[in-house]
Amino acid sequence: QVTLKESGPALVKPTQTLTLTCTFSGFSLSTTEMRVGWIRQPPGKALEWLARIDWDDDKFYRTSLRTRLTISKDTSKNQVVLTMTNMDPVDTATYYCARFGSTDYFDYWGQGTLVTVSS
Amino acid sequence: DIQMTQSPSSLSASVGDRVTITCRASQGISTWLAWYQLKPQKAPKSLIYDASSLQSGVPSRFSGSGSGTEFTLTISSLQPEDFATYYCQQYDTYPPTFGGGTKVEIK
Repeated sequence: QVTLKESGPALVKPTQTLTLTCTFSGFSLSTTEMRVGWIRQPPGKALEWLARIDWDDDKFYRTSLRTRLTISKDTSKNQVVLTMTNMDPVDTATYYCARFGSTDYFDYWGQGTLVTVSS
Repeated sequence: DIQMTQSPSSLSASVGDRVTITCRASQGISTWLAWYQLKPQKAPKSLIYDASSLQSGVPSRFSGSGSGTEFTLTISSLQPEDFATYYCQQYDTYPPTFGGGTKVEIK
């Protein structure tokens, strides 16, 4: 059974760095072709893909956020961590982690965690 | 980035109705399209991938079709648990992009 769960602060101040952790079970990120990504959804807006990390530690980022995002993995803990620097109120969103399926769609998602950026 | 446009943005339907949602891509994406169901406070659920393949465990009343730039998600007989918001996503070209969503409400 594949599960993913996001954790992190519910509230961050402008200019701070956000760190989110995705803890998963039911698969291993050391298995060939496994990939995990992060997606966010601002209130009332569309879903937006942010970043992806692969089993071989390849990393991919949304171009517009590349300078602010870092994705990493801890295979021994079954975790993927996303950091986003210089947070702004426009970054207020529900942040999801998800596993990639056999092609580049997301076959399993976490429940999401709402992050509010406010002073 | 490839733009994905869903229509309608919302609809009202009754239990038992046949519901069709359309997703259009700004350029051809072959069949690299997925559909998801989102409900508040729940993990999003994958329904369809590769335009028409049913994700394991998803009821057969859900079906997907299309290729190129136009795609549809059909729910053959709407059930109470299907009231939710549905999103399409293309994965032909990075970055993956999503449609704006279609909220299915109770009539």
